[in-house]
Amino acid sequence: AQTVTQSQPEMSVQEAETVTLSCTYDTSENNYYLFWYKQPPSRQMILVIRQEAYKQQNATENRFSVNFQKAAKSFSLKISDSQLGDTAMYFCALGPFQGAQKLVFGQGTRLTINP
Amino acid sequence: DAGVTQSPTHLIKTRGQHVTLRCSPISGHKSVSWYQQVLGQGPQFIFQYYEKEERGRGNFPDRFSARQFPNYSSELNVNALLLGDSALYLCASSFTGQRGGNNEQFFGPGTRLTVL
Repeated sequence: AQTVTQSQPEMSVQEAETVTLSCTYDTSENNYYLFWYKQPPSRQMILVIRQEAYKQQNATENRFSVNFQKAAKSFSLKISDSQLGDTAMYFCALGPFQGAQKLVFGQGTRLTINP
Repeated sequence: DAGVTQSPTHLIKTRGQHVTLRCSPISGHKSVSWYQQVLGQGPQFIFQYYEKEERGRGNFPDRFSARQFPNYSSELNVNALLLGDSALYLCASSFTGQRGGNNEQFFGPGTRLTVL
């Protein structure tokens, strides 16, 4: 069975600081996708960043970057220059390379950015 | 362009009743997936439909069923509701080809179901 674990239920940082959210996963597949989703208090889930397991280069999207360690099955999200709008639940998710688009989500990390 | 839409926004039912939740995908998207998100937890996969056929099913009882229509909209049905079915039900659509795989999924705002 595939599992995703987020060990930080809550985190809180000051605006403009850098914060790193942790995620570990388990799968027997060699190719797969990893995602970070953001769910603001308004509820709508938004994709933050995506990593393809067969690509060694870490994905980046503006202020968001990941540290993907395939051997360690670790996938952390770094948010630089954090902004008040980054306040949200963040979910790490694992998806298959092909076939049914079944995402396996972690429990989430509640991130609060303080002014 | 409109995003994924879901109806209703909120719903209150009593144990034993049935419920139908609706989802309209983004125009051009042929795949719809359903997730259940219990308060304080991450979403759990229920179903995926592509081109009106079930492509994947999560670990949910037969009380849960779904279908997809020719216009790619979808319904999720839950029979014999239990208190534990109270959750946010999320629909996600994606533009995926026959090979499947994880193209970006776009989520709707969800339907909040409360079972009393």
